[in-house]
Order: sequence, then structure tokens, then C-alpha cells
Amino acid sequence: DSGVTQTPKHLITATGQRVTLRCSPRSGDLSVYWYQQSLDQGLQFLIQYYNGEERAKGNILERFSAQQFPDLHSELNLSSLELGDSALYFCASSLGGESPLHFGNGTRLTVT
Amino acid sequence: GIQVEQSPPDLILQEGANSTLRCNFSDSVNNLQWFHQNPWGQLINLFYIPSGTKQNGRLSATTVATERYSLLYISSSQTTDSGVYFCAVLLYYGGSQGNLIFGKGTKLSVKP
Repeated sequence: DSGVTQTPKHLITATGQRVTLRCSPRSGDLSVYWYQQSLDQGLQFLIQYYNGEERAKGNILERFSAQQFPDLHSELNLSSLELGDSALYFCASSLGGESPLHFGNGTRLTVT
Repeated sequence: GIQVEQSPPDLILQEGANSTLRCNFSDSVNNLQWFHQNPWGQLINLFYIPSGTKQNGRLSATTVATERYSLLYISSSQTTDSGVYFCAVLLYYGGSQGNLIFGKGTKLSVKP
């Protein structure tokens, strides 16, 4: 058990809808990362937060947004969903800096 | 940007065999991690190994940072070792800003 909790485990929704994925980091970790894993793109970095502030941005679409709250949990919001957004979404956390990342079990999103 | 290349892309082994997986990276890095993604999609942290050699049971890893490669050794493979093995390197920019760049993985199938 990595200590990183992601909910829900599975999500099935229709095109055009909006969903929210939630992540609780390991106790003591200040940094949260979001990754998307789709069949044709591999594991892609989306966004990083550190202690409530956005720190790094990757290939995150404008339809997607995230935030990290004062209690350090994070949410990834996906809107105007398309079929191509179907993927496994991972959250990871770390102490920050060059510390190793620890991944949650992911949320499997299916858009129909 | 930094490139992470893993080889071989696919590997089929008979139970009990040994194997070596390789990860090459194109630039100096601050952190390197190996992960195992099991058939259920979970990303399991195997090693945090920016340099040197580490061992954990039947698995060991070596990173030669100056030559920009890392090796993952699996000895006496078991069917439960099946899955995809990812190498990932951390790009750290300072100021708690960074993210992991993943290779495309080595898909391992261990046959009984």
C-alpha cells in the first residue's frame, strides 16, 4: 500500500459530462502529481501542486483543471468529456524536491 | 526534452528464468525510479535508484548515472512478475517543481 488514496476506482460517464477525481496524498507529503495513462500515449504528466500551489504543468488540456486544498488533498476536474479521455488517471505524492513519487491505484475513467 | 528508452519492449520468459531490463536516458537526472504495473493496473514502486545498486528479494537494480542507463534484474521469475515494467526519471527544476518522465515500458509475460 503506497499510502496514496484515489477515489473513485472506476467511473463511467457519457460524452459532454463533467467528473471529479479525488486524491489524498501520503501523510506528510506536500507535493501531488496527476498522470494520465491511455493506450496510445503511455503515462503522461498532467500537473503538479506543492503545498496548495501549482508548480508544473504538462500536457493538460484546457478542459481539465486541478487544485490542491489546504488539507493537501487534490481534485482533478475533467469537463466536456470526449471518448478519447477514457484512460487510467493516477495521482502520486512526494515530499517534494527530488524525493521519490508514490502512486495511488488510479481511477479508471470510461467515457461512452 | 529528456528521452527515456526502455528495452526490450516485450519479453516472454519461462518460470524460473532470469532477465535484464534496460533503461537509457538522454540527459543527467536527479532521480530514477522503477515501477511494476500489474495486470490490474496498479503501479508498484520497485526502486528509487538515482545511482548505485539496490536489491530487494529476487529483484535488483543498478543505475550508472554517468553513462545514463539503469538495469533491472529479475531472477528466478514467477508468473506473478508478469506485467509492465516502467523506468521513470525525475526532471527537477528547483523550487519544488518537477515531474517524472516515463519510458514506454517493457511488457513481461512469465509462462508457467
